Amino acid sequence: DAGVTQTPRHEVAEKGQTIILKCEPVSGHNDLFWYRQTKIQGLELLSYFRSKSLMEDGGAFKDRFKAEMLNSSFSTLKIQPTEPKDSAVYLCASSFRGSNTEVFFGKGTRLTVV
Amino acid sequence: AQSVTQPDARVTVSEGASLQLRCKYSYSGTPYLFWYVQYPRQGLQLLLKYYSGDPVVQGVNGFEAEFIKSNSSFHLRKASVHWSDSAVYFCAVSANSNNRIFFGDGTQLVVKP
Repeated sequence: DAGVTQTPRHEVAEKGQTIILKCEPVSGHNDLFWYRQTKIQGLELLSYFRSKSLMEDGGAFKDRFKAEMLNSSFSTLKIQPTEPKDSAVYLCASSFRGSNTEVFFGKGTRLTVV
Repeated sequence: AQSVTQPDARVTVSEGASLQLRCKYSYSGTPYLFWYVQYPRQGLQLLLKYYSGDPVVQGVNGFEAEFIKSNSSFHLRKASVHWSDSAVYFCAVSANSNNRIFFGDGTQLVVKP
């Protein structure tokens, strides 16, 4: 039973580059979240999709961050252009909208921008 | 909106000692409460959750948490910690099962041998 799959696990980008992170949610889940995790800021919500519709886009991240759900089983997070301050772990999570909801997390993508 | 406060950024305990990680939430209604754990280089994993009923909920690996409505708290406890419990623990709250979850900043637990 596959959980949330994120690729790649590690990414190194040069400043100004465009990078795309990928996420496959748990099959059948209809809520999908992208978080950024840093030691200083903790978990910050970047985007929240419900049944492929964007519900929240994490206002402060609108400028260079764009998340999309191309279909119910695949999402991408594009950062364009990257900056060194974007270095962080990016976590994707999914859940099934219903009773006793549990959010399942992927292992994350560690992004380093040099 | 809901919010969560975890007042301790880092807690250090000796192996075999008891543990309490503090969590306070802000929400006027009846909350749905969660504790997640994150091991190094891993995503978050659910430890336990409270929806209703008995305010003391049991989780995996001997963890439990108690919902105290009058105090708006949901502290995590364990009677005897093991070195493998070293991780970051996140408390979270949602308004109901259909709302998104709000996370606290996390508490880094260090278990000394």
